[in-house]
Amino acid sequence: DLQMTQSPSSLSASVGDTVTLTCRASRAISDYLLWYQQRPGKVPQLLIYTASTLHSGVPSRFSGSASGTDFTLTISGLQPEDVATYYCQNYDSAPYIFGPGTKVDLK
Amino acid sequence: QVHLQESGPGLVKPSQTLSLTCTVSGGSVTSGNYYWTWLRQSPGEGLEWIGHTYRSGSTYYKPSLAGRFVISVDATKNQFSLTLRSVTAADTAVYYCARGGEYYDSSGYSFRFDPWGQGLLVTVSP
Repeated sequence: DLQMTQSPSSLSASVGDTVTLTCRASRAISDYLLWYQQRPGKVPQLLIYTASTLHSGVPSRFSGSASGTDFTLTISGLQPEDVATYYCQNYDSAPYIFGPGTKVDLK
Repeated sequence: QVHLQESGPGLVKPSQTLSLTCTVSGGSVTSGNYYWTWLRQSPGEGLEWIGHTYRSGSTYYKPSLAGRFVISVDATKNQFSLTLRSVTAADTAVYYCARGGEYYDSSGYSFRFDPWGQGLLVTVSP
């Protein structure tokens, strides 16, 4: 069964910092990976699809990349509104598996 | 613009059957290549995909959950539903409905859950 892991589980950073979140798949999923942002008490919002393509309306400070089964979400210039939990999710095939999330807050 | 809204009881007793409905507005559950999906998020936990139904009525469930969940479509009401038998405290969660869709653009193929409903907290407690 596919497993998705994320690291770190949480991080604190200052406004303006560049933060890097990692997601790893237990098997090859090509670039069939999504990143979601879930602000506290809110519905998950799609950030990135196909591992690196920004969804419409998502600020350009968000970017994604892939290397084999490792995927990275980078926030270049953290903003207060970026405080959230970030989830990755495969979509190469069902069942769709979410990573456990990385919680990002401000230092 | 498609909008999804969950409805159902906020509190159910252990061993009872939970029934949730997702009402779709701004689009039809029978048009397009969409997968009408249920997900859940236990308190303080991550997201879990439960399963989906297609306009044809075909369904697919997360294997570890199969057998307890049933997802169905009611085209006459433009709704789809989730039924969960024999609930336990472990089923306490925010339940989301969402539309899963296949997209093709300059980046190639993608499949996304968009939009989502606002979520409905269901608590299983005596």
